[in-house]
Amino acid sequence: ELKVEQNPLFLSMQEGKNYTIYCNYSTTSDRLYWYRQDPGKSLESLFVLLSNGAVKQEGRLMASLDTKARLSTLHITAAVHDLSATYFCAVDMLMNTGNQFYFGTGTSLTVIP
Amino acid sequence: DTGVSQNPRHKITKRGQNVTFRCDPISEHNRLYWYRQTLGQGPEFLTYFQNEAQLEKSRLLSDRFSAERPKGSFSTLEIQRTEQGDSAMYLCASRSQGATEAFFGQGTRLTVV
Repeated sequence: ELKVEQNPLFLSMQEGKNYTIYCNYSTTSDRLYWYRQDPGKSLESLFVLLSNGAVKQEGRLMASLDTKARLSTLHITAAVHDLSATYFCAVDMLMNTGNQFYFGTGTSLTVIP
Repeated sequence: DTGVSQNPRHKITKRGQNVTFRCDPISEHNRLYWYRQTLGQGPEFLTYFQNEAQLEKSRLLSDRFSAERPKGSFSTLEIQRTEQGDSAMYLCASRSQGATEAFFGQGTRLTVV
């Protein structure tokens, strides 16, 4: 069974600092997604990474994918309070009957002013 | 609103009662997914439809759970004889066949008391 692990699970960081969230997965896939979730809300799509070496940036967030290492990273640059949320990575697996997402455990980020 | 719509947004029910949730996907999306998310966890796959056919069911989907998508458009998820352990956010997502991205609804938060 596919396992998707994120670390850290909890992250508290000061505004202005940089940090990286890691997402490891246990089987071959070349599609990885990052989502943001605010408390009590649904999932907001941040990045779609579709190939080895893919890098995407939006504002203070940058995501990358290394399919050989089965690793994706979400890098936060100069954090601001508005980035406080839970971040999930999800691996898109092609099964016999179609694609399914497998989600990581999530990283709860708190940015302290 | 052309996004994925879920109703109700919140449901409080007594243990032992039956509940039904509805998901209206984006109109041209033929694939529809149900996920369950408990507090502090990532979404877990429950079941998947392609058009009206239910192609995949998770082991999490006990015999108290049933999902339908009768005309290949909206879907319903019914939980019979609810238990406190069923308390969770139930998320619906849809996407087109071959598309890289899935879109999530706002979710239905179920509380079993």
